[in-house]
Amino acid sequence: QVHLVQSGAELKKPGASVKISCEASGYTFSNFAIQWVRQAPGQSLEWVGWLNTNNLYTRYSRKFEGRVTISRNTSANVVYLELNGLRSEDTAVYFCGREGVVERNQGVVNYYYYYIDVWGAGTSVTV
Amino acid sequence: DIQMTQSPSSLSASVGDRVSITCRASQNIKDYLNWYQQKPGKAPVLLIFTASTLQSGVSSRFIGSGSGTDFTLTITNLQPEDFATYYCQQSYSVLWTFGQGTRVEI
Repeated sequence: QVHLVQSGAELKKPGASVKISCEASGYTFSNFAIQWVRQAPGQSLEWVGWLNTNNLYTRYSRKFEGRVTISRNTSANVVYLELNGLRSEDTAVYFCGREGVVERNQGVVNYYYYYIDVWGAGTSVTV
Repeated sequence: DIQMTQSPSSLSASVGDRVSITCRASQNIKDYLNWYQQKPGKAPVLLIFTASTLQSGVSSRFIGSGSGTDFTLTITNLQPEDFATYYCQQSYSVLWTFGQGTRVEI
C-alpha cells in the first residue's frame, strides 16, 4: 500500500528556517516525482515545488524562489522541504504528494499528464 | 503563471441534486486539468485527471468535461459524503496552479 508519512508539526519564529520530511513506502520511490503543496488557514491550495526523485532535478514556484529547497535523502525514500526566512504568511499546512503520470498517444506524439495521486497527511508549520 | 478561476466560490445543495462547478484557465491548457476533493482537516483526494478521466476508486457520479480554457466538474445524485471543497489544478505548465476552490454545502 502506498503511503507518504510526513514529519510532525513545527512552531518557528520569524526569520527562522524549517525543514520538513516526507517518507514514501509501498512503491518504487525513484519512479515517481514528489510535489509539495501548501495551504494557509482557510485558503486554497498553493503549489510550492517539485523534485524528480531519480535525477534530483527541482522546480520551484516563483513565489518561493530563493527561499525554498527540496531535496532527497539518497539512502532512504525521504524527501525534504526546507523554507528559509520564515514570515507569518508562511503559516500553513504543507503537503507532499506523489506525482502520478499517464501517457496518451496522438499519432506519433506522446503526451504526458501529471497529477498528485497520493498525498501525505500534511505538516502544520506555524510562524 | 497560468491563473485558474473557479465559480461559484460556494454553493448550497441537497442530497440527490446535480451540481456543476466551473474552472476557467487564463490561457489554453488543452486537457491538462485535474480535480481534487478536500474535506476539513484532510489532505486532498484526486477525483479526475486529464479533464475527464476518473481516478480509480472514485464514484462515477463525478464527471469532468471541457478543454482549452473552460472546464466543468459535475456531481450527479449528490451524496452526504460529497459535501466538501473542490479544487481544479492545471498541469499544462510545469509551474502548477490551483483554483481558489468551491465549497459545496448542505
